[in-house]
Amino acid sequence: AQSVTQLGSHVSVSEGALVLLRCNYSSSVPPYLFWYVQYPNQGLQLLLKYTSAATLVKGINGFEAEFKKSETSFHLTKPSAHMSDAAEYFCAVSDSNTGKLIFGQGTTLQVKP
Amino acid sequence: DADVTQTPRNRITKTGKRIMLECSQTKGHDRMYWYRQDPGLGLRLIYYSFDVKDINKGEISDGYSVSRQAQAKFSLSLESAIPNQTALYFCATSNSLGAPRNEQFFGPGTRLTVL
Repeated sequence: AQSVTQLGSHVSVSEGALVLLRCNYSSSVPPYLFWYVQYPNQGLQLLLKYTSAATLVKGINGFEAEFKKSETSFHLTKPSAHMSDAAEYFCAVSDSNTGKLIFGQGTTLQVKP
Repeated sequence: DADVTQTPRNRITKTGKRIMLECSQTKGHDRMYWYRQDPGLGLRLIYYSFDVKDINKGEISDGYSVSRQAQAKFSLSLESAIPNQTALYFCATSNSLGAPRNEQFFGPGTRLTVL
């Protein structure tokens, strides 16, 4: 069975600092991986996805993630945090047979002025 | 206009009542999903439908039922609501063409409180 684990339910950074949100996956087949963001009182919005092309994936709002097979990781980064990045972030893996998404527990990002 | 809409956006109800949450989409997708979100648990799949005649249970289907009235409409029902069904509920859609690499598109959510 496929699964994802997000390390750290809460991450706090200062405005302008590096953002690093961690995601590790478990999959017996090459995975398709996704990062979603949820702003307060809104639905989930896709940030980026990995579909076995380039291992460094660029997304919206300056975010990117690197697929590392040897570490079974897909960590999300942004060089400089903005106040508007405060939100909840979800990592997900797509079930290889059905396409269903399996989500991690989520990480709440707090950005301090 | 939003591509995936959910009604109602907020609902407060009492234990034992029957509740229906509705989802409509204009994306032309064939696949639709219902999730619930609880703090610290992420999103968990309740039911999913790959077309009008194909409905499947997710990991937490007990206490819920669904109806796929048309390709664009997918409703979630709580036959007899209980307090631990208090949660945020999301509908999502995706296109089967190219799955499983396709992303899902989410509605704005329905916040349900069962007293």
